[in-house]
Amino acid sequence: AQSVSQHNHHVILSEAASLELGCNYSYGGTVNLFWYVQYPGQHLQLLLKYFSGDPLVKGIKGFEAEFIKSKFSFNLRKPSVQWSDTAEYFCAVNPPTRGYQKVTFGTGTKLQVIP
Amino acid sequence: GAGVSQSPRYKVTKRGQDVALRCDPISGHVSLYWYRQALGQGPEFLTYFNYEAQQDKSGLPNDRFSAERPEGSISTLTIQRTEQRDSAMYRCASSSDRGYEQYFGPGTRLTVT
Repeated sequence: AQSVSQHNHHVILSEAASLELGCNYSYGGTVNLFWYVQYPGQHLQLLLKYFSGDPLVKGIKGFEAEFIKSKFSFNLRKPSVQWSDTAEYFCAVNPPTRGYQKVTFGTGTKLQVIP
Repeated sequence: GAGVSQSPRYKVTKRGQDVALRCDPISGHVSLYWYRQALGQGPEFLTYFNYEAQQDKSGLPNDRFSAERPEGSISTLTIQRTEQRDSAMYRCASSSDRGYEQYFGPGTRLTVT
């Protein structure tokens, strides 16, 4: 069974600092990879996804993630965070062979951006 | 509707009672998923429907948990004889097809006292 590890549980940054959230997964085959975000008081929503092609994926609000197959990683990055990026971020993986998304989520990283 | 809705948003129940959690997916979405999220954890897959067919229920923790989607739209997750360990956020998501992006509802926070 696949699993997802997010090593940082709580990250505190000042505005304009650069962000990198780590995500590693364990699954031997082809995977679809996702980052979801939950802003305070809001629904869980998709930030970006990787299915195939260019391993550098760009998402909403200036976020990007890089799929490195050899490292089983899909780290999330943003060059300059804003206070509004304060949220909880979840990495997730799904093997596409099922034909539907039985997604496995990581435990999440809470990001707090200080003005 | 404009998004996935869930009701109730909050539910407090006493141990041993049955609860029913409702999910109303985005209109036209054929796929529906239920997840459970314990405090400090990520969402955990419970079950999946394609139209009215429950195609995967491998994540349901035991036979006290059941789900249905009789007309291929609204779904109900039922927990019988609730226990304190059932306390969690229960999330529903829908998608337009089996492999497409999932849209999540606001969740139902269940507290069993």
